[in-house]
Formats: sequence, structure tokens, C-alpha cells
Amino acid sequence: GDSVTQMEGPVTLSEEAFLTINCTYTATGYPSLFWYVQYPGEGLQLLLKATKADDKGSNKGFEATYRKETTSFHLEKGSVQVSDSAVYFCALIYGGATNKLIFGTGTLLAVQP
Amino acid sequence: DTAVSQTPKYLVTQMGNDKSIKCEQNLGHDTMYWYKQDSKKFLKIMFSYNNKELIINETVPNRFSPKSPDKAHLNLHINSLELGDSAVYFCASSPGTRSDTQYFGPGTRLTVL
Repeated sequence: GDSVTQMEGPVTLSEEAFLTINCTYTATGYPSLFWYVQYPGEGLQLLLKATKADDKGSNKGFEATYRKETTSFHLEKGSVQVSDSAVYFCALIYGGATNKLIFGTGTLLAVQP
Repeated sequence: DTAVSQTPKYLVTQMGNDKSIKCEQNLGHDTMYWYKQDSKKFLKIMFSYNNKELIINETVPNRFSPKSPDKAHLNLHINSLELGDSAVYFCASSPGTRSDTQYFGPGTRLTVL
């Protein structure tokens, strides 16, 4: 079945460091891909998305490119801030008639001043 | 203006009790969802309704029963609560098409003692 695999956390970085969180997927057809972020004690917010191959989603300095050849959607940011500390979830929309979001296990990012 | 709201935010109850969690969205969306987030932050869909019709029903014990009185509301009723039901439950909504962003509520933390 369809699935999403994310790198294990926690990821601990110093402020202004470069961030990469790896995400790969297995899916039938061509899913849409998402990154959601969950700040401490809050619900999930959409960070960015891409709906077809080679699309780049971007928001708040974060970017991810839909790579069909490597089935990947890695999240990157050039310079992280303490306020970016959160859990990041990679997800795909199931390739069928339903809108079932399938999530990765989440990656905790901790940014230290 | 809260887009997707849930009540209550916290729910502490005894094993064997019956409880409900309410969800409302004011986005005019056609589709609503319930997700469960376990203690390891793993998120999994439970149910989805489109225009008050059940379209996703994952392998969830039948003690869990969703109810959609209208398009803007999706409530979750849980009978005979068990320790393993302790989790954070998130409601979400989307306009309805396959690649649409899902908007999440703030979550309800359920603790079963």
C-alpha cells in the first residue's frame, strides 16, 4: 500500500544552520505531496505542498521539490530559527477516490540559539 | 475567526465511560475527517465524511461512531472507553478534491484513566 518514510528524529541544529529532512514515498499513481508542521501544543498547519512531478512547494523559507524519479520530497531551509522548532510531517494524498492523507512518522526539529 | 474548531480541548475520563468530541468548520468545505495521533506522534485517519456521507472508515473499533448532522459538523462518539483510546484526536476539513489541502483543528487530548 501507499506509505511515507521520514528520517528519524530528533534533529538538533544551531540557529542559522541548514536544514534537510528526508522524505520518500511509495504510491500507486501520482500522489500529491505535503509537508505539515506541528508546533508544541498545537494542531497541524500546512507548510507547503506539490501536486505534480518537478513542482516546488515553498513557504516561510522552506522548500521541497517533488522528485518522481527518486520518489522523494525532501524538506529544506537555508537558515533555521529557534521558532522553527516543531514536529514536521511529510504526507501524501492516497491515489484514489478518497482524500485520505497518509503521514510519515514525523521528525522533531529542535533549534538551539 | 477559527476555521476548524474542536471541543473540548482536553478530556479526562474513566475507563468504560462514553464521551463525545465535537468539530465544526466555518470554511464551507464539503469533506471532514477524524485523525488519531498516538503517543509517538503517529497520525492515522479514522473517518471521512463528504456532504454528510461516510466515505472513509478505516479499521477502527465499532465503539467509535462518527456523526455528521450537517456539512459543517462532524462529531466523534466513543463508547466504553479503553486505556488504549488515550490519544490526541484531530478533526480536519477540505474542499473535497483529491489534492486539496486539509485544514486541521487544534486537537482534543483524550486521557482515559
